[in-house]
Amino acid sequence: GAGVSQSPSNKVTEKGKDVELRCDPISGHTALYWYRQSLGQGLEFLIYFQGNSAPDKSGLPSDRFSAERTGGSVSTLTIQRTQQEDSAVYLCASSGGLAEDIQYFGAGTRLSVL
Amino acid sequence: DAKTTQPNSMESNEEEPVHLPCNHSTISGTDYIHWYRQLPSQGPEYVIHGLTSNVNNRMASLAIAEDRKSSTLILHRATLRDAAVYYCILRASTFNAGGTSYGKLTFGQGTILTVHP
Repeated sequence: GAGVSQSPSNKVTEKGKDVELRCDPISGHTALYWYRQSLGQGLEFLIYFQGNSAPDKSGLPSDRFSAERTGGSVSTLTIQRTQQEDSAVYLCASSGGLAEDIQYFGAGTRLSVL
Repeated sequence: DAKTTQPNSMESNEEEPVHLPCNHSTISGTDYIHWYRQLPSQGPEYVIHGLTSNVNNRMASLAIAEDRKSSTLILHRATLRDAAVYYCILRASTFNAGGTSYGKLTFGQGTILTVHP
């Protein structure tokens, strides 16, 4: 596609349930990033992929959070046993090609944990 | 990552120039100065970046102080669509055998720009 695509755009879940958020990066982009933005908070980094490996996972807030990337393309962010404080907009970005130092962001997935 | 300081908010009138300042007194020699903006209900959007020289593109201009301890993002004619949060970010690059890697962006609180009709 032309841009970074994230799905679903909105997700409402009950506390304790697991959720999966998907990111389709721009075709050919080797780097992929996950961030989250809580209400009234700034954007915080979660994890960075280069190809299928994750050299920087320093932003994952707990072991309930995990992410994987397959085929150097699609990435899935999984949150297990969701808590109310996990409610946020989860943003994905990708970079690569001739403008490797520029990140292109998707519109995000708004997660609401009831 | 080195820290940046921006005003919390600024206001402008439509079709007037806007100068958004950013202080980064602890910048290192390999830090690039990046600007992103985030329109309401959207993901951040790249605006411009530079290292030492002033930069121009179709969206904006970036003026970098000679000592690199501050920079200014210039929107030449603000439109209502430019109302957004503007983030000034310092970004280091890492050179290794596999090439150059850039890693994460570290966002601060940014400047909320309001544009009045």
